[in-house]
Amino acid sequence: QLQLQESGPGLVKPSETLSLTCTVSGGSISNSNYFWGWIRQPPGKGLEWIGSIYYTEKAYYNASLKSRVSISVDTSKTQFSLRLNSVTATDTAVYFCARHHLISYDAFDIWGQGTMVTVSS
Amino acid sequence: QSGLTQPASVSGSPGQSITISCIGTSSDVGYYNYVSWYQQHPGKAPILLVYDVNQRPSGVSSRFSGSKSANTASLTISGLQAEDAADYYCCSYGGSSTVIFGGGTKVTVL
Repeated sequence: QLQLQESGPGLVKPSETLSLTCTVSGGSISNSNYFWGWIRQPPGKGLEWIGSIYYTEKAYYNASLKSRVSISVDTSKTQFSLRLNSVTATDTAVYFCARHHLISYDAFDIWGQGTMVTVSS
Repeated sequence: QSGLTQPASVSGSPGQSITISCIGTSSDVGYYNYVSWYQQHPGKAPILLVYDVNQRPSGVSSRFSGSKSANTASLTISGLQAEDAADYYCCSYGGSSTVIFGGGTKVTVL
């Protein structure tokens, strides 16, 4: 069945760029019924939607992060990626990638296991 | 967009029913029937319990049910079990292809 797996550095220095990739296996990232999203969770805190992308490369972002975030998709590699620049300690979090439905936009039905990213010098 | 408001904690005894509220606004929860609920155990990824206010994915127990009235969505867990102890998050479509999550509710089984 479809699986998602996050990968990337676990430690990023302040002011640098956080880069993560989510690899989709067992299914197509070009499925027209779904968006692919990034969600993060600071230690001991709640979930925050970062943004989502469609296979056509159309992306949507959380307004509070929009100036610093970029999400891209590579259908040939069945991957989508997150870049968050000018990071600070407040960007320390577990980052999840997840699939959600085109129509039932709220339904994040498949999640990766999450990857912890710490921002520290 | 502000986050959705959930109670920090809710508790109940085994076999009881509990309800978790999720308060939004007339621009998100109150306007769209796209509200979902997630269960998260420590160190794990969230699991989708309910979507589109009251729809359950296949494989999710019927003990979990969702509803909505005006700007408030609710998740009810009936026949509370020890394994229901977890954090629960609501989520709403916020318009313009955006999503908003609630702050989370810790459920304790007494």
